[in-house]
Amino acid sequence: GIQVEQSPPDLILQEGANSTLRCNFSDSVNNLQWFHQNPWGQLINLFYIPSGTKQNGRLSATTVATERYSLLYISSSQTTDSGVYFCAGLSGSARQLTFGSGTQLTVLP
Amino acid sequence: GAGVSQSPRYKVTKRGQDVTLRCDPISSHATLYWYQQALGQGPEFLTYFNYEAQPDKSGLPSDRFSAERPEGSISTLTIQRTEQRDSAMYRCASSLPGANVLTFGAGSRLTVL
Repeated sequence: GIQVEQSPPDLILQEGANSTLRCNFSDSVNNLQWFHQNPWGQLINLFYIPSGTKQNGRLSATTVATERYSLLYISSSQTTDSGVYFCAGLSGSARQLTFGSGTQLTVLP
Repeated sequence: GAGVSQSPRYKVTKRGQDVTLRCDPISSHATLYWYQQALGQGPEFLTYFNYEAQPDKSGLPSDRFSAERPEGSISTLTIQRTEQRDSAMYRCASSLPGANVLTFGAGSRLTVL
């Protein structure tokens, strides 16, 4: 199966700062998603983004499928953005998402 | 239902006991997944169902783990003779058939003493 590597593993920001999270894949993926795990453990789908760029409020994501990476941008961060951000992808005919180990984001007031 | 519902939210059990976790997916979602998430790690695939069929159970870590979805809606994940290494968050997700976006439940956190 594919390997998913996320960086950085931990990130601490002051409220209002911007950040970029990165996800690298070992093989081409035909399905790429970003999730936010909030401090209560809920896993929320942020983006389905196999290629190109999408924006949703202060969050945006870009996937460059040919180079096997995806970026998640968080602008003007808020304390409610804290939690763990996961990327996940499918490869080939597989039905199961493979997740990275996540980026733990802490936004300080 | 409106979302994916899992129960119990928390389960503490003693080593050697059997445990059953339940997932009630979104009513229109034919595909249902089970994932295991160890502390500090991302979720790892266990198995999935299309309606009542179980095409892939390659992620189940041992024969102590089994899952059912007899009527194509509610699913259960059973762990027999639990071991401490089974302690984890167990997540259920559902999707429309062939769809790419998964909706996850809140998870069931299992602690084996």
